[in-house]
Amino acid sequence: QKEVEQNSGPLSVPEGAIASLNCTYSDRVSQSFFWYRQYSGKSPELIMSIYSNGDKEDGRFTAQLNKASQYVSLLIRDSQPSDSATYLCAVHPGGGNKLTFGTGTQLKVEL
Amino acid sequence: GAVVSQHPSRVICKSGTSVKIECRSLDFQATTMFWYRQFPKQSLMLMATSNEGSKATYEQGVEKDKFLINHASLTLSTLTVTSAHPEDSSFYICSASSSGTTDTQYFGPGTRLTVL
Repeated sequence: QKEVEQNSGPLSVPEGAIASLNCTYSDRVSQSFFWYRQYSGKSPELIMSIYSNGDKEDGRFTAQLNKASQYVSLLIRDSQPSDSATYLCAVHPGGGNKLTFGTGTQLKVEL
Repeated sequence: GAVVSQHPSRVICKSGTSVKIECRSLDFQATTMFWYRQFPKQSLMLMATSNEGSKATYEQGVEKDKFLINHASLTLSTLTVTSAHPEDSSFYICSASSSGTTDTQYFGPGTRLTVL
């Protein structure tokens, strides 16, 4: 069973703080990793993709990948109330074309 | 770029009727489209994967005769919920990927189906 694990939360952070969202995956041959944001009642929106070990930054978002530890994370700097949403980690296993999604982490950014 | 639309955004129908949901890739050619279902406060559940011009591949437990999927062109896939029942009420979301980025999925805005 290929799995993607996330802490369901809620993760509460104060406005302006760094939010750290974590994800682990079981399939060692996974090649591609994605973070999606889903607001309540809306569909997922792609935030970032990462393919190589290390950090990838895009604005206030930084994705971190460690394939040896089978771990991918998303950092959100200067968190804003508008960042409050569920963040889905998705992994492409390297075979076929389906993504495996985690159950998501609910983030709450408090004023 | 990578915009996916869905129509309708919301539909209410009577039990026993069929409902068709359209998913379109607006600015790229979608070689593969995916259909998901999401119940309140639950995670995405993949229903089926469709490739243009071929039959859809359904996930275990999803009735292919109840959820008819057609992917007739590189920009359009349809999901028809046949003989809908109240338990089919859910949020249906499509996503699409192109041949150039086969692992990146772009999601449509979703269709909220309510079966009375």
